[in-house]
Amino acid sequence: EAGVAQSPRYKIIEKRQSVAFWCNPISGHATLYWYQQILGQGPKLLIQFQNNGVVDDSQLPKDRFSAERLKGVDSTLKIQPAKLEDSAVYLCASSFDGETQYFGPGTRLLVL
Amino acid sequence: AQKITQTQPGMFVQEKEAVTLDCTYDTSDPSYGLFWYKQPSSGEMIFLIYQGSYDQQNATEGRYSLNFQKARKSANLVISASQLGDSAMYFCAMRVHNFNKFYFGSGTKLNVKP
Repeated sequence: EAGVAQSPRYKIIEKRQSVAFWCNPISGHATLYWYQQILGQGPKLLIQFQNNGVVDDSQLPKDRFSAERLKGVDSTLKIQPAKLEDSAVYLCASSFDGETQYFGPGTRLLVL
Repeated sequence: AQKITQTQPGMFVQEKEAVTLDCTYDTSDPSYGLFWYKQPSSGEMIFLIYQGSYDQQNATEGRYSLNFQKARKSANLVISASQLGDSAMYFCAMRVHNFNKFYFGSGTKLNVKP
């Protein structure tokens, strides 16, 4: 069974630029999560989808971050414009039962 | 308030010895799940073990076991017979079912010495 796929693996941009990350969850997993993990910290949930509906986006900085999951499968997370403090690893996870999450390899973002 | 606390920023263990990583949690909700994840330097979070709040027995998965003490609100991870490949960050997490939210601890960095 294929795991959660994410791309790109690494991205370097300058502040005020835009960036987008892509995630393809495990087949059949209805729940998809995006996390931000700053160096030395645990992951922080940004947004949770159930199929193509948003369940929780309370910690998503909506002035600059957006996410969508149009067909209830893969998802994109966008930052526009990026700030220096957005430098982090962005993790995507999926779950079949909304309980155990399986994570992708993450995208390491560096904002200069 | 819901919270996960990992008080050990870093730990060392000798290869082949057992090690316990501490995790305490706080929730007033009676229904929750507790998880441990391993994060090697490559960055991917690897699911290790799960314990439900109503489970009567401690969870075990191979060399991993979860020492669940409900009254103390602790969910410590025990790794038996440590291997060099166990060197990684370990995160404790909780899902509170009523709120459908996940909470992660700050992690413990484990170093296994040869």
